[in-house]
Amino acid sequence: QSALTQPASVSGSPGQSITISCTGTSSDVGGYNYVSWYQQHPGRAPKLMIREVSNRPSGVSNRFSGSKSDNTASLTISGLQAEDEADYYCYSYTSSNTWVFGGGTKLTVL
Amino acid sequence: EVQLVESGGGLVQPGGSLRLSCAVSGSTFSNDWMHWVRQAPGKGLVWVSHIRSDGSDRSDISYVDSVKGRFTISRDNAKNTVYLQMNSLRVDDTAVYFCARDRHYASDSWGQGTLVTVSS
Repeated sequence: QSALTQPASVSGSPGQSITISCTGTSSDVGGYNYVSWYQQHPGRAPKLMIREVSNRPSGVSNRFSGSKSDNTASLTISGLQAEDEADYYCYSYTSSNTWVFGGGTKLTVL
Repeated sequence: EVQLVESGGGLVQPGGSLRLSCAVSGSTFSNDWMHWVRQAPGKGLVWVSHIRSDGSDRSDISYVDSVKGRFTISRDNAKNTVYLQMNSLRVDDTAVYFCARDRHYASDSWGQGTLVTVSS
């Protein structure tokens, strides 16, 4: 049950695009299309941004997109806005019938 | 609109017990899979436990290794509530505990969290 691997921090200027990676194993990220991404602002509950690798829930901006290749999933945010500054977590179902989060990535909008 | 409201957090001494509750409204709770997730102060999210819609079979429930044998998840579908019984609490169990509803292996609705502090 090791945490998925994310970069600790990423940054970008308004209008730019950034990508956050999430690396697991064939027992989690690589084995299932059950990777989701969450945005968390300080003191708030997490918010689902991407489900099942690349599906956006209703109400989530189309500036957010997800993908996966082998054991690595990615979240891309295009047209960065100040309000995107937050912590981002990936999350995957595993072959042990458990779930696991990534360590989290702090996004700074410069 | 789905609402989840956690309660039961507080200050407890090491070795003590607490029971968290999460009341769900605006959803067909009896069909919902539910999760508990925790976040230690200044740290990341950690998945804790999951229970499927019935919860009566052992295969319907799972835990992160660090709480196995100490925490028990359960549900009362008549009360639209999921519980987390936490025994033998340790200092490193200190965290905000969130409940979340599962939809297709993602957590689409979350409560506001309840703080559990384990300290002497």
